[in-house]
Amino acid sequence: QVQLQESGPGLVKPSQTLSLTCSVSGDSISSSGFYWNWIRQRPGNALEWLGYISYSGSTDYNPSLKSRVTISADTSENQFSLKLSSVTAADTAVFYCARVSYYEIYSIYYYAVDVWGQGTTVTVS
Amino acid sequence: DIQMTQSPSSLSASVGDRVTITCRASPGISSYLNWYQQKPGKAPKVLIYGSSSLQSGVPSRFSGSGSGTDFTLTISSLQPEDFATYYCQQSYITPWTFGQGTKVELK
Repeated sequence: QVQLQESGPGLVKPSQTLSLTCSVSGDSISSSGFYWNWIRQRPGNALEWLGYISYSGSTDYNPSLKSRVTISADTSENQFSLKLSSVTAADTAVFYCARVSYYEIYSIYYYAVDVWGQGTTVTVS
Repeated sequence: DIQMTQSPSSLSASVGDRVTITCRASPGISSYLNWYQQKPGKAPKVLIYGSSSLQSGVPSRFSGSGSGTDFTLTISSLQPEDFATYYCQQSYITPWTFGQGTKVELK
């Protein structure tokens, strides 16, 4: 059973860099076909996808965050990390790490988040 | 970005009711639509992927339909454990985007 666990500071000062790590157990982050994501949920708001690092190490980010977000992986520790720079109060949120898996239906591949971490609250103040 | 719009934003229902939530994508996303359930203080849980495929372990009272721009999530007979917030999400193209959520409350 795959489990994800976020860790990192719960309080970050404005203009600093928010850093979180996701520890993965029960699966290797190098396993083919999976994408390792960060998703946040601001107070009262919907879910926002921040980006992913794939099993092969490629990354994709939400352009709304411009160049502030970086996702990296440490395969030796089976972890992946999020860095969000120049934070403001608007970045206060619950941050989730999550695995996106693929599902094949009639030779078409569909992707969905099938495993989530419990979430960690980060306050910028 | 693809815009996902859910309706209603909230609804009140009773146990045993049939509940339908709609999600509209702009522009269209073929069948690349997922549904999630989130309970307070918990991470979301996937219910439906590919518009209509039921995730393993999810009760059969949940069903999804639609293609292109218009999608629905139906709960055939609402159970006490189904009171939660439901989100649609498109996986057609990044940035993957979510609807704003529909809160299902007890009438």
